[in-house]
Amino acid sequence: NAGVTQTPKFQVLKTGQSMTLQCAQDMNHNSMYWYRQDPGMGLRLIYYSASEGTTDKGEVPNGYNVSRLNKREFSLRLESAAPSQTSVYFCASSEGTSGGYNEQFFGPGTRLTVL
Amino acid sequence: GDSVTQMEGPVTLSEEAFLTINCTYTATGYPSLFWYVQYPGEGLQLLLKATKADDKGSNKGFEATYRKETTSFHLEKGSVQVSDSAVYFCALSGSSGGSYIPTFGRGTSLIVHP
Repeated sequence: NAGVTQTPKFQVLKTGQSMTLQCAQDMNHNSMYWYRQDPGMGLRLIYYSASEGTTDKGEVPNGYNVSRLNKREFSLRLESAAPSQTSVYFCASSEGTSGGYNEQFFGPGTRLTVL
Repeated sequence: GDSVTQMEGPVTLSEEAFLTINCTYTATGYPSLFWYVQYPGEGLQLLLKATKADDKGSNKGFEATYRKETTSFHLEKGSVQVSDSAVYFCALSGSSGGSYIPTFGRGTSLIVHP
């Protein structure tokens, strides 16, 4: 099993350009998440998808859109990139049960620089 | 709402020293508690977990005990190695007032010198 995969690993954009970050999981998990990680800020949730067909905003959704393409795939789109979006982006997945015993599995990250 | 507070780093130790990274939480009910580790250039991975009070999670020589009375889940290791250098995140999920979406602490960087 590959677990959670993300593409690309690295990306440099100019201000105003758009791009889509791809994420896929092969663990048959219901829930998927997008986080950004910045120095001193820990992890911040951008969007999540509790189950196929649903998406919800997290803590910092502005400037991003998401698509839950199917149960395996969850993409994050930057329509008009800004320097403030320079960050490391992580995708994660989990079974999504409501019982709380719900560890997350993370991808390797995408390192994005916006000039 | 739920919150997790970790000690600020970096924590700098010599090899074979004893490690404690403090974690306290605020949540209603009985959340599950987790420690994740992030090695340089990688994503987070689960290190250990505990799902009820007095449970002890353990893995790779690391341990943490779920203390309901002190709302704490401190991470310990008796003898650290250079390879333990990483960032450690405490997290909770499943509180009665929250959801299954984890709440993470800000992370504590550990640097181990030979």
